[in-house]
Amino acid sequence: KAGVTQTPRYLIKTRGQQVTLSCSPISGHRSVSWYQQTPGQGLQFLFEYFSETQRNKGNFPGRFSGRQFSNSRSEMNVSTLELGDSALYLCASSLWDRGPEQYFGPGTRLTVT
Amino acid sequence: AQKVTQAQTEISVVEKEDVTLDCVYETRDTTYYLFWYKQPPSGELVFLIRRNSFDEQNEISGRYSWNFQKSTSSFNFTITASQVVDSAVYFCALSEANFGNEKLTFGTGTRLTIIP
Repeated sequence: KAGVTQTPRYLIKTRGQQVTLSCSPISGHRSVSWYQQTPGQGLQFLFEYFSETQRNKGNFPGRFSGRQFSNSRSEMNVSTLELGDSALYLCASSLWDRGPEQYFGPGTRLTVT
Repeated sequence: AQKVTQAQTEISVVEKEDVTLDCVYETRDTTYYLFWYKQPPSGELVFLIRRNSFDEQNEISGRYSWNFQKSTSSFNFTITASQVVDSAVYFCALSEANFGNEKLTFGTGTRLTIIP
């Protein structure tokens, strides 16, 4: 079974631009979560989607948004990029029926200049 | 609020030595899950183990073992006979045991270096 895939793997953007990151969960997984990883703040929860509905949201500004499609694929969008948004963005999927553990993708490394 | 503390920022051991990574957690929930993840240099978080709060049995998987003690709110991870491939950052994490709230709260991680 294929794992969680994320595209693109690397991205360089300029301050003020917006960016969209994509995540395809493991086949059959309906829950998708996003995390931001930075050296200063560590791993922080962004939001979680299940069946196209956002169930939980972390403490991030409204510039961070996401959505989930009917095939469980998810996208997250960051508008008006700031230098501090430079981070590794990790997507994870889970199949609660088999257990709550989340399986992570390789991440998208976003650099804002 | 949930909190996970990994006091050891970095650990270096010589290959074949045993090493224990500490994890202490705080939660007001009566039921919860604890996890360990490994992050190699490639960046992907690799799931290692999940432990339910109502199951305090220790677990061993090959060279890996986990010691869960609810009385001290600790979930420590021991690698026996360490190998160079064990070099990575290890994260301990906590989540509520409620369907619909799968947010993971991570510790700050412990960078483990195995010296050949």
